Amino acid sequence: DVKVTQSSRYLVKRTGEKVFLECVQDMDHENMFWYRQDPGLGLRLIYFSYDVKMKEKGDIPEGYSVSREKKERFSLILESASTNQTSMYLCASSLRVMTNYGYTFGSGTRLTVV
Amino acid sequence: AQTVTQSQPEMSVQEAETVTLSCTYDTSESDYYLFWYKQPPSRQMILVIRQEAYKQQNATENRFSVNFQKAAKSFSLKISDSQLGDAAMYFCAYRSLIQGAQKLVFGQGTRLTINP
Repeated sequence: DVKVTQSSRYLVKRTGEKVFLECVQDMDHENMFWYRQDPGLGLRLIYFSYDVKMKEKGDIPEGYSVSREKKERFSLILESASTNQTSMYLCASSLRVMTNYGYTFGSGTRLTVV
Repeated sequence: AQTVTQSQPEMSVQEAETVTLSCTYDTSESDYYLFWYKQPPSRQMILVIRQEAYKQQNATENRFSVNFQKAAKSFSLKISDSQLGDAAMYFCAYRSLIQGAQKLVFGQGTRLTINP
């Protein structure tokens, strides 16, 4: 069964800490995405990547960065965590070619910044 | 930029009855994909149904069907014979066909409760 795995289900961090959220997929997908999910706002795109070492800003990139050194791994980095970054973070992947398929999602990391 | 709007934050339905979740979107493109995703309490997002804009026929997957009105930019989800396992957050999503623009744009979500 194909999978997108997020390393932590729950995470509690202190304000100002540098936080790494890891995502690994085993489907050889070219595209990988990081979204944050907040009540009433749905899912908003933070960053995405079309290939190794490539990254593109999404709709809300401020306060975040990403790293994609290997095709299967896409990391989201909170350079200095703040309380307004408390949220659910979802990673997803997809094939590069235009298809009618959506994404394959991970199970999410619920991050609390205190 | 494309936007997706789900105007019903919460819906409830009696078990075995039918419920319709609304979704509207805004785009200037003529070809695109639309999706409905389900997120149960386990948090795992599950693809429920998809629709290609160039297809006039509405997509159907077992008890799930859509009413796709391209001119009105409306894409509602109908769940027939509702079951307790249908309780979840439901998200409508839009995907452009423009080369390189592969991101999904999501609506705000609708929380569906099934009453036994």
